[in-house]
Amino acid sequence: DAGVTQTPRHEVAEKGQTIILKCEPVSGHNDLFWYRQTKIQGLELLSYFRSKSLMEDGGAFKDRFKAEMLNSSFSTLKIQPTEPKDSAVYLCASSFQGAYEQYFGPGTRLTVL
Amino acid sequence: GEKVEQHESTLSVREGDSAVINCTYTDTASSYFPWYKQEAGKSLHFVIDIRSNVDRKQSQRLTVLLDKKAKRFSLHITATQPEDSAIYFCAASKQSNYNVLYFGSGTKLTVEP
Repeated sequence: DAGVTQTPRHEVAEKGQTIILKCEPVSGHNDLFWYRQTKIQGLELLSYFRSKSLMEDGGAFKDRFKAEMLNSSFSTLKIQPTEPKDSAVYLCASSFQGAYEQYFGPGTRLTVL
Repeated sequence: GEKVEQHESTLSVREGDSAVINCTYTDTASSYFPWYKQEAGKSLHFVIDIRSNVDRKQSQRLTVLLDKKAKRFSLHITATQPEDSAIYFCAASKQSNYNVLYFGSGTKLTVEP
């Protein structure tokens, strides 16, 4: 079985640009999560979907961050407009509904200049 | 909301020794406590978990202990090997809050040959 896939693996953006990160969860998983990982803040939840419905979004990220789940096997995270402080690794994870083990993708390393 | 604190930011042990990583949490409603491992340059992967209906769980060289009264849980690694070197993250989740995980800040474990 394929794990969680994320594209691109690396992204470089100029300040003010719009970027879209993509995630494909493990087939059959109902829950999908977007996290941001930085050395200073650690792992922060950006969004949580269950069966394509948005269950929770990280309050601090509502402003310029928008995650969508277009179908059960594909999700996007849009950052608009990007700022240098958005430089981080963005992780996507998925799990079965009701189970708790989350499977993480390889991440997208975003650098905003 | 839940706050998980991971007390050791770094830990260095000699190969063959034991390592212990400690975490505390704040929300008495938390009932699920997983641990994740992140090797250098890689994403997170699940290693072991414990639920609040037990106070100890073992899997090969890994043991998790849970003290609900003290709101503390710990990961014990015996007979450490160089491949155990990684950053370990503890997390907590409330059953009522779906699968949202609140992560600690991570402990970098170095196993020296």
